[in-house]
Amino acid sequence: DAGVIQSPRHEVTEMGQEVTLRCKPISGHDYLFWYRQTMMRGLELLIYFNNNVPIDDSGMPEDRFSAKMPNASFSTLKIQPSEPRDSAVYFCASSQGQGVEQFFGPGTRLTVL
Amino acid sequence: GNSVTQMEGPVTLSEEAFLTINCTYTATGYPSLFWYVQYPGEGLQLLLKATKADDKGSNKGFEATYRKETTSFHLEKGSVQVSDSAVYFCALSQGGGSNYKLTFGKGTLLTVNP
Repeated sequence: DAGVIQSPRHEVTEMGQEVTLRCKPISGHDYLFWYRQTMMRGLELLIYFNNNVPIDDSGMPEDRFSAKMPNASFSTLKIQPSEPRDSAVYFCASSQGQGVEQFFGPGTRLTVL
Repeated sequence: GNSVTQMEGPVTLSEEAFLTINCTYTATGYPSLFWYVQYPGEGLQLLLKATKADDKGSNKGFEATYRKETTSFHLEKGSVQVSDSAVYFCALSQGGGSNYKLTFGKGTLLTVNP
């Protein structure tokens, strides 16, 4: 299997622009997670899905952030409008079942100027 | 709520030295415990896990034992290599039904010098 795929790997944008991050989970996995990693705050869970349904979005920082999972093989995290404080590495992870290993993608490094 | 506390880094060791990275947790009930490793420029990878008290997880020479009495899951390796240089994250998972997520510690940067 190719593992969790994220695109783009790097994104540089200007404040106020819309940013869309994409994730393809491992085939057959029924959980999908979005994380944000910064030096100041460490690794934070933003939202997770089970069978394409959002289960817990309490980590989404503001209404500027939204996530969707239209089908089992694709998810997006959108930031609109983006701000410099959104600069971070965003990881997508997937797992099969509960309480088991999460497989992480390589991450998207977002820089908002 | 759940929380994970791991020792502050960075940790710098010479090759073949002994490694310990401390991790303690706060949770109700019986969480599963994990150590993840992040190599430079990559995502996190599971290093080892333990799902019940007194279990020992091991992989690639690393070990950690689930100690419920001390709520700890310390990571150890007897002889580190330069290739072990990475950030190490302790984590726990707990949840029932559809309420499941991992809680991570802040990570410990390990640098191993030749």
